[in-house]
Amino acid sequence: KQEVTQIPAALSVPEGENLVLNCSFTDSAIYNLQWFRQDPGKGLTSLLLIQSSQREQTSGRLNASLDKSSGRSTLYIAASQPGDSATYLCAGNNAGNMLTFGGGTRLMVKP
Amino acid sequence: DGGITQSPKYLFRKEGQNVTLSCEQNLNHDAMYWYRQDPGQGLRLIYYSQIVNDFQKGDIAEGYSVSREKKESFPLTVTSAQKNPTAFYLCASSIQGTVLNEKLFFGSGTQLSVL
Repeated sequence: KQEVTQIPAALSVPEGENLVLNCSFTDSAIYNLQWFRQDPGKGLTSLLLIQSSQREQTSGRLNASLDKSSGRSTLYIAASQPGDSATYLCAGNNAGNMLTFGGGTRLMVKP
Repeated sequence: DGGITQSPKYLFRKEGQNVTLSCEQNLNHDAMYWYRQDPGQGLRLIYYSQIVNDFQKGDIAEGYSVSREKKESFPLTVTSAQKNPTAFYLCASSIQGTVLNEKLFFGSGTQLSVL
């Protein structure tokens, strides 16, 4: 059974810093790995989806990588802004669209 | 605007009571999902439906029931058998649900609390 872990659970950085969020998974037979953003009391917004055949995906200041052999994915945020403050969740897809979610990293970017 | 609408935003349940959470989408998506989120934890799948009049149990279906009579609607009932219902409930949809590498679209959630 797939297990997804995100460490740290919370992170606080000053504005302008580049940062990396980590996601690890136990089952490397993964179809894709998705990153989501969740604002307090809100639903999830899909940020990036990396297919198993890909190594990374980029969208604006966000870059996500996938290393199936090591069971790891990272989300890189460049030049962080206070508006980036949110919880970031990763999810692995091993069967159809039945996603297994990590517990999330709560990010605070201080002005 | 296309999207997923969940209602109500806040819901309170008395002991022994069944309550129903609404989820409506106008994205013309075939697949719909219900997830439960507890504080500081990831989402866990309750039920999903890939087509009208069909649905499947997820990882934590006990104490919950669903119906899928219309493509646009996928209501979730939290029954009295669910002993720990306090959580944030999220509804999601995707285009087909059987195709890999589909993105999921989420509603804004319903916070359910026990009185």
